[in-house]
Amino acid sequence: DQQVKQNSPSLSVQEGRISILNCDYTNSMFDYFLWYKKYPAEGPTFLISISSIKDKNEDGRFTVFLNKSAKHLSLHIVPSQPGDSAVYFCAASRPGTSYGKLTFGQGTILTVHP
Amino acid sequence: DGGITQSPKYLFRKEGQNVTLSCEQNLNHDAMYWYRQDPGQGLRLIYYSQIVNDFQKGDIAEGYSVSREKKESFPLTVTSAQKNPTAFYLCASSIDPTQNTEAFFGQGTRLTVV
Repeated sequence: DQQVKQNSPSLSVQEGRISILNCDYTNSMFDYFLWYKKYPAEGPTFLISISSIKDKNEDGRFTVFLNKSAKHLSLHIVPSQPGDSAVYFCAASRPGTSYGKLTFGQGTILTVHP
Repeated sequence: DGGITQSPKYLFRKEGQNVTLSCEQNLNHDAMYWYRQDPGQGLRLIYYSQIVNDFQKGDIAEGYSVSREKKESFPLTVTSAQKNPTAFYLCASSIDPTQNTEAFFGQGTRLTVV
């Protein structure tokens, strides 16, 4: 049962344009959502998070949008840079348990072309 | 520098042998976690610990064991009962499992069983 899904295995974007990565979830108990960036053979690096009481959170070039009614979140990267090329994972956690106990999507490989 | 150290980075073992993966953190975090990543998949939770001398099974605990005798250390043993042990193993920690905070990851250990 895949509770967090990233339906696009890969995304290719031109440098300077916007990258939009999508994530859907099925468990309505999730109340905290995170995006991580990962290079091969390395650990994931935290990018940005959003609580379910918000619908948008920005940090520099990164913005995460949350649509609770659709159980959908997205990560926007503007402008995209070649160094952004990596695998992006969305993750979710729920109250009543350890918040570091994350449920991850399958990941989306982002390639930003110069 | 504060962080999470996993060792070794690469590990080879013969089938049927137990092997222990090390994870140490100097972030003074209460909670620690072990995840497993397989090709094309997201991270899946093996075990987690919210406090010293306490740990809980995650989604795929069968064939694994852990201990949490010290706050900074959370070793993972992959036993011979684990049917598909070859994978990339990631250790993580979070400051307070009851709060909305991100988990920080180590650099991972690539285990190959031959």
